[in-house]
Amino acid sequence: EIVMTQSPATLSVSPGERATLSCRASQSVSSNLAWYQQKPGQAPRLLIYGASTRATGIPARFSGSGSGTEFTLTISSLQSEDFAVYYCQQYNNWPPAVTFGQGTKVEIK
Amino acid sequence: QVQLVQSGAEVKKPGASVKVSCKASGYTFTSYGISWVRQAPGQGLEWMGWISAYNGNTNYAQKLQGRVTMTTDTSTSTAYMELRSLRSDDTAVYYCARDQVRPANFDYWGQGTLVTVSS
Repeated sequence: EIVMTQSPATLSVSPGERATLSCRASQSVSSNLAWYQQKPGQAPRLLIYGASTRATGIPARFSGSGSGTEFTLTISSLQSEDFAVYYCQQYNNWPPAVTFGQGTKVEIK
Repeated sequence: QVQLVQSGAEVKKPGASVKVSCKASGYTFTSYGISWVRQAPGQGLEWMGWISAYNGNTNYAQKLQGRVTMTTDTSTSTAYMELRSLRSDDTAVYYCARDQVRPANFDYWGQGTLVTVSS
């Protein structure tokens, strides 16, 4: 099974600042990597797929980069509604399987 | 608009089974797959498996093989997830999510169904 490791576990950021979240895969997943945002009591929301493609309706302040084993989610200028938990997810296995990282909580500094 | 509406909360005893439904609307059901993801209280996301709404093919997480069955009813655009031999660590919110023609990424999610396993 491919293990996804996210860092840091918690990121304290002031509104308006830039946030950089990391995700590492235990083996190459090519560009088969997605990012989700989850707020308390809500279902996750797809932000990025294919490592760098924004999902429908996602603001341009969210960007994804990377390939292989190292990936980054950048939020260019944090808004109040961006404080949440973020998960990366790979979908490269064969036979097909999906694994999530353990999450990064972005909190107000 | 795309919607996935799940059945209501369940309370089950250890050893019992639970079947959660997920009714899809707003898109062509058979053109996509459905994945099921669960989240234990205060924990992260765990993928359970995927089913093709086109032909019923399934892929289950190895950890749940033998205990989980996913099915679809194309006449009602509804997906089902049944989990058997429930244990206390199966207590979680269970989500269905629209997936692709193979397990990939999930662009629409149901509202979640809380399943509590307690004696």
